[in-house]
Amino acid sequence: DAGITQSPRHKVTETGTPVTLRCHQTENHRYMYWYRQDPGHGLRLIHYSYGVKDTDKGEVSDGYSVSRSKTEDFLLTLESATSSQTSVYFCAISEVGYTEAFFGQGTRLTVV
Amino acid sequence: TQLLEQSPQFLSIQEGENLTVYCNSSSVFSSLQWYRQEPGEGPVLLVTVVTGGEVKKLKRLTFQFGDARKDSSLHITAAQTGDTGLYLCAGRRAGGTSYGKLTFGQGTILTVHP
Repeated sequence: DAGITQSPRHKVTETGTPVTLRCHQTENHRYMYWYRQDPGHGLRLIHYSYGVKDTDKGEVSDGYSVSRSKTEDFLLTLESATSSQTSVYFCAISEVGYTEAFFGQGTRLTVV
Repeated sequence: TQLLEQSPQFLSIQEGENLTVYCNSSSVFSSLQWYRQEPGEGPVLLVTVVTGGEVKKLKRLTFQFGDARKDSSLHITAAQTGDTGLYLCAGRRAGGTSYGKLTFGQGTILTVHP
């Protein structure tokens, strides 16, 4: 299994509070991604990174920010959580080109 | 509107039947991938297709990349209950500055009944 760890695995938070999810990899892959998964929508890209301090927006980036200060860590922050951000969040990593994306186990976030 | 439109969203069939899942877009992709996801797990890669018109087979699964590299299909022959799961297509756009950007379709939930 690819060395990719998400933390926390489950979180319940209140509306309006900040939340940070962490993705850690031991594979030294260049690309890291954050997705959210909701019924009927598959996986929707939030943000991705193509190197340290190099990030770009995905399809559903509003309300989310990311940071990558080290190759191995990619943080996703919800500045002020809303109920619409209740979802399962997946981190993924890949190398360049057409290579496989490896996924973490997911984080189930509930905003109440 | 998602960049990759997958159909159907739900498929319920009997064991032994054949099925096809489609992944369509108006954009050109440098590569198209198919993933399968089990409940509570992250998606796992089944195949990558790169060349227009390419066909790849994985046992009873046949994957095709459209000639114009805008669409793909997954065909399963003689489905088994073990094929039950969520199937996702994913693509990397051709050209531009977002080379590594990997976007997914909505997914197809396949249920194979014994």
